[in-house]
Amino acid sequence: AQSVAQPEDQVNVAEGNPLTVKCTYSVSGNPYLFWYVQYPNRGLQFLLKYITGDNLVKGSYGFEAEFNKSQTSFHLKKPSALVSDSALYFCAVRTRAMDTGRRALTFGSGTRLQVQP
Amino acid sequence: DGGITQSPKYLFRKEGQNVTLSCEQNLNHDAMYWYRQDPGQGLRLIYYSQIVNDFQKGDIAEGYSVSREKKESFPLTVTSAQKNPTAFYLCASSIGPGGTGETQYFGPGTRLLVL
Repeated sequence: AQSVAQPEDQVNVAEGNPLTVKCTYSVSGNPYLFWYVQYPNRGLQFLLKYITGDNLVKGSYGFEAEFNKSQTSFHLKKPSALVSDSALYFCAVRTRAMDTGRRALTFGSGTRLQVQP
Repeated sequence: DGGITQSPKYLFRKEGQNVTLSCEQNLNHDAMYWYRQDPGQGLRLIYYSQIVNDFQKGDIAEGYSVSREKKESFPLTVTSAQKNPTAFYLCASSIGPGGTGETQYFGPGTRLLVL
């Protein structure tokens, strides 16, 4: 089955420290991977994506993610966390149904990032 | 959220009532999507449309209906058959199939509550 998993419901980090939000995936073929951020009562904002190319992808607000094919992971990282980074983060993978050809994004359950001052 | 608008921000539904959530985009995107978000869960796909006058069921389409008469608009109706409609509803759009075109951009959401 094609899926994406975020193993941590919450990540706590002190301001100024590096942060990592974990994501693993299971898809057939080459994966299209995405990270989104959601602030309370708002829609999702696109952060970055991996389609092909360099394994280290840089995105908005200083975030980056590393694609690791052997570990089927796409962890989100930032060298120095800000209090304003506190939000809900979603990893997503593009899935394609073998029978209908339907292309869709399958989302993880989300990880709440809490950055303490 | 830029380029995709959803209205209303909050919507209250009475028992047995159908309600319609609006989604409009000015990004000239071909594809549009409706998701439902419940606390502690990721987004679940309700319906999607790859092109005008065509739409397909997602994973949780029962109790919902859509139309796609214009490229810019993809309204979602929550019917009385949806017994547990309380959720946060998100609309998204993307350029279309293939590579970077599959990046989805989201509206601000509509919170539906049952009276």
